[in-house]
Amino acid sequence: DVQLVETGGGLIQPGGSLRLSCAASGLAVSGNYMNWVRQAPGKGPEWVSVIYKEGSASYAESVRGRFTISRDNSKNTLHLEMKSLRVDDTAVYYCARDTRATGGFGAFDLWGQGTVVTVSS
Amino acid sequence: SYELTQSPSVSVSPGQTASITCSGDNLGNKYAYWYQQKPGQSPILVIYQDKKRPSGIPERFSGSNSGNTATLTISGTQAMDEADYYCQAWDSSTAVFGGGTKLTVL
Repeated sequence: DVQLVETGGGLIQPGGSLRLSCAASGLAVSGNYMNWVRQAPGKGPEWVSVIYKEGSASYAESVRGRFTISRDNSKNTLHLEMKSLRVDDTAVYYCARDTRATGGFGAFDLWGQGTVVTVSS
Repeated sequence: SYELTQSPSVSVSPGQTASITCSGDNLGNKYAYWYQQKPGQSPILVIYQDKKRPSGIPERFSGSNSGNTATLTISGTQAMDEADYYCQAWDSSTAVFGGGTKLTVL
């Protein structure tokens, strides 16, 4: 089975840091465009970041300079390092594959179950 | 920045056709994608590249995209289709999602 499993969420104070992980099975993170997408309570999804097959990355303006996406090919795991966290970063964070690496045009066709990040004092 | 706009809610009777729209500047020049999300669950892709259905998605789900509007149509709506639906498109290298439409099957 193809599966993505996120971990690392929790309650963190404003200004703090947190590292999210996404363990993949049935697919290689290094061979796909892997994304982080977040969803604040009662809101629509918001794209956060992508890491491309060759290793470069792109970020939403709202997180650029504070968040860093990376991957560990040996553990087939995606990470999101989050610093200087703000109250409005509170959300469920999903890792998701998009189809651009395999000939598609960018559908998010595989999602994890999400991990909850709450930024509050 | 690019924006996609959806009506907050749509209601439909069982067996009838539900239409959910998504508006964006020249959206018809981009591919539109649609996701279904039920409470407490992750989003599921139901339409990609405007009108294609992933494996396992029922034929009653269809899509179109022209001008400034993409439309998700659910024919013969069933109670199990009650969910939030989100449209999505790419603006350069940024994925943009709509705010979502809550579909109620009365």
